[in-house]
Amino acid sequence: AQSVTQLGSHVSVSEGALVLLRCNYSSSVPPYLFWYVQYPNQGLQLLLKYTSAATLVKGINGFEAEFKKSETSFHLTKPSAHMSDAAEYFCAVTHGGTGRRALTFGSGTRLQVQP
Amino acid sequence: DGGITQSPKYLFRKEGQNVTLSCEQNLNHDAMYWYRQDPGQGLRLIYYSQIVNDFQKGDIAEGYSVSREKKESFPLTVTSAQKNPTAFYLCASSTPGGKLFFGSGTQLSVL
Repeated sequence: AQSVTQLGSHVSVSEGALVLLRCNYSSSVPPYLFWYVQYPNQGLQLLLKYTSAATLVKGINGFEAEFKKSETSFHLTKPSAHMSDAAEYFCAVTHGGTGRRALTFGSGTRLQVQP
Repeated sequence: DGGITQSPKYLFRKEGQNVTLSCEQNLNHDAMYWYRQDPGQGLRLIYYSQIVNDFQKGDIAEGYSVSREKKESFPLTVTSAQKNPTAFYLCASSTPGGKLFFGSGTQLSVL
């Protein structure tokens, strides 16, 4: 079984401030972890993914995430928020084995960026 | 350009009516998925298909049906048995490595 918990349904930061969006996972096998971003009335876009290579993963738009097995976490960060970062962010998990490969998504975190 | 096309963007369903949401991809992906998105609940898997002529139920398949007669197409029918169909529906396909590509979604509402 696999699941994802995103702490904080809403996060508000000032422009230029650090962005930290939290994600904890549960998986009975080594996980593949993803962060997606969704802008209003649109589908989801992949920001970055972890697939058992380097534990610090760099994605698009200056975002990065660190896989910490001891904490079962995969938090998303960005050093300096931009107004265009305002969106909803989803963490997702799957496993790399055979069989079902559909992702399990967290409930999402809406990021607001204040001027 | 390659991608996923969902139509229509907005759809209204009357009581007791079945409606079908279209999803087409030209990415040559074998795997396709339907997710339902409700506010504050993230995405929940309705159905998925790993290959043509095969599909599996996801976590919330009751009241929905799908077909996969062509690699490019994975339509979702919301039947009258689905009592709470109002939601944003997202179709996706994935590479063998598991990277998902999403369509822009269909907002379904009940009249």
